[in-house]
Amino acid sequence: QKEVEQNSGPLSVPEGAIASLNCTYSDRGSQSFFWYRQYSGKSPELIMSIYSNGDKEDGRFTAQLNKASQYVSLLIRDSQPSDSATYLCAVNIAPGPNAGNNRKLIWGLGTSLAVNP
Amino acid sequence: DADVTQTPRNRITKTGKRIMLECSQTKGHDRMYWYRQDPGLGLRLIYYSFDVKDINKGEISDGYSVSRQAQAKFSLSLESAIPNQTALYFCATSDSGTAPYEQYFGPGTRLTVT
Repeated sequence: QKEVEQNSGPLSVPEGAIASLNCTYSDRGSQSFFWYRQYSGKSPELIMSIYSNGDKEDGRFTAQLNKASQYVSLLIRDSQPSDSATYLCAVNIAPGPNAGNNRKLIWGLGTSLAVNP
Repeated sequence: DADVTQTPRNRITKTGKRIMLECSQTKGHDRMYWYRQDPGLGLRLIYYSFDVKDINKGEISDGYSVSRQAQAKFSLSLESAIPNQTALYFCATSDSGTAPYEQYFGPGTRLTVT
């Protein structure tokens, strides 16, 4: 199992719809979870961080964390064409059974989202 | 006024040349990172530094070296560039005191090795 997994997509949604992006991770001890947006040829931009189980809302974005099931999701309400980008999930993971507290930020490969006008 | 800057933004170089990519930040963060990104391979960590005297190898450090000249500056060198080092390179920073894993990226350097 890869440490952080995302569907590569492309995920295609019509303008105004809700886009749902999912991410699963391998380490039950992870405590920090992030969603980044990356436009083609540009750098990743942090859009959401979440540290506790449940939902966290920021404008049109909602991050959802379920530590028991080891997944984190991002919902984008009222999707706009400008939301078309690749969304990267990142999780702090202890690499290997003896890593202890030596955690690193591990990145998923990203999900490509296309919002169609 | 960008918080994390990278120079150059684009660079074309020949095989065997030594090149340096530079990163500066005004965020006051203590931690700095160098990543490369290749299509289909995602972000891969090259080196990271938790402070000026603490430099660590990432998952793909072979062929690269780094220098942390000050808390605000972190440079990446390719000792002898080869074509498979053609990639998009990003510098990132984080603050160990507030959110150690929350990373902020520079605009990137597109490097082409011919």
